[in-house]
Amino acid sequence: TQLLEQSPQFLSIQEGENLTVYCNSSSVFSSLQWYRQEPGEGPVLLVTVVTGGEVKKLKRLTFQFGDARKDSSLHITAAQPGDTGLYLCAGAFWTSGSRLTFGEGTQLTVNP
Amino acid sequence: DTAVSQTPKYLVTQMGNDKSIKCEQNLGHDTMYWYKQDSKKFLKIMFSYNNKELIINETVPNRFSPKSPDKAHLNLHINSLELGDSAVYFCASSQWSSGSGETQYFGPGTRLLVL
Repeated sequence: TQLLEQSPQFLSIQEGENLTVYCNSSSVFSSLQWYRQEPGEGPVLLVTVVTGGEVKKLKRLTFQFGDARKDSSLHITAAQPGDTGLYLCAGAFWTSGSRLTFGEGTQLTVNP
Repeated sequence: DTAVSQTPKYLVTQMGNDKSIKCEQNLGHDTMYWYKQDSKKFLKIMFSYNNKELIINETVPNRFSPKSPDKAHLNLHINSLELGDSAVYFCASSQWSSGSGETQYFGPGTRLLVL
């Protein structure tokens, strides 16, 4: 079984603070995706990382894929209340076709 | 312009009843999925169909029966509903890949409450 451990599970911060969410596995990913889910909605893709060591930026969000392709992180700079939501990492594996294995999620609350 | 739609959005029913959830995608994708999200927000895959063929069938009670009449539709029928079936059920679709991780597009979810 391929598992993804995501941490922290819950994060409550003040507007303007920085934060990092981690996603780890003992398995090597073929690619890793980060999704964001808002209340009452389905998850929406933020980014896909494919190459070990890859860094992608999306405005104030920075995504990093570990060199060994077993871990990833999401860093948010100067968080805003609009960043509030559930952040999910999802890994794809070469043996799993189009299937994604999701982490447990990080519930982020940014207080004004 | 809805990409992946599900009906109904809310479903409240009594234990023991049979219910169905419908899903449709207009993205031209060939692969569709059903996920269950529990109260702890863990998203767990239940089934996946590729070109109407079942390709993933997780350890799900056989009270759950998916049906894909065509590539654009994947329905979920649940027999003899139990309290533990209460959750949010998400339909998703993507293009098939051989492990490179295609983007999955999710529907808005169906909130099932079994009383």
